Amino acid sequence: EPEVTQTPSHQVTQMGQEVILRCVPISNHLYFYWYRQILGQKVEFLVSFYNNEISEKSEIFDDQFSVERPDGSNFTLKIRSTKLEDSAMYFCASSEGGINEQFFGPGTRLTVL
Amino acid sequence: GDSVTQMEGPVTLSEEAFLTINCTYTATGYPSLFWYVQYPGEGLQLLLKATKADDKGSNKGFEATYRKETTSFHLEKGSVQVSDSAVYFCALTSYNQGGKLIFGQGTELSVKP
Repeated sequence: EPEVTQTPSHQVTQMGQEVILRCVPISNHLYFYWYRQILGQKVEFLVSFYNNEISEKSEIFDDQFSVERPDGSNFTLKIRSTKLEDSAMYFCASSEGGINEQFFGPGTRLTVL
Repeated sequence: GDSVTQMEGPVTLSEEAFLTINCTYTATGYPSLFWYVQYPGEGLQLLLKATKADDKGSNKGFEATYRKETTSFHLEKGSVQVSDSAVYFCALTSYNQGGKLIFGQGTELSVKP
């Protein structure tokens, strides 16, 4: 069964450093998403991506964040200068589109020291 | 804006007990409704969904019915198992939301033998 994969599973970084979180969505999906979950809190939408551009972004997704689909398979989330409050689990998801179900990856746990 | 509210956890049950996790929503459009499950240390998995009023989603013994009149999508299972211990998230999406998922705060379920 096709699945969304994410790497790394855990990333530890120093405050102010750049990190890139990687995702490989399901191959025939067209819509891609990033969500985050701060420990013990709800899952929050960050950004959606379709047709090689951002469709929507939340207020969390400020200028420190960017997304890219550098080739036909990867979908990345970059945080330019990490802050302590960026520590969270980051989930990638993909879907065929519209209001179809989204399939989630296992997540990357980001720890900012 | 659109939102999802779940009953607070944690919920602790004995094996074979009946489970209900309440979920209510506020939405301006006609949302699709989902329950996602997060097992310890894992990502989010779709448990069931319903796309229109009076639809019943079901999977692995879990059921939820889309009730437009009460704006609810309560999750039920007749007989829980220890392996059902997880965090359960109610979520919605709609065309008004551009396909992004809006999650409730999650309800932790612990099933004791």
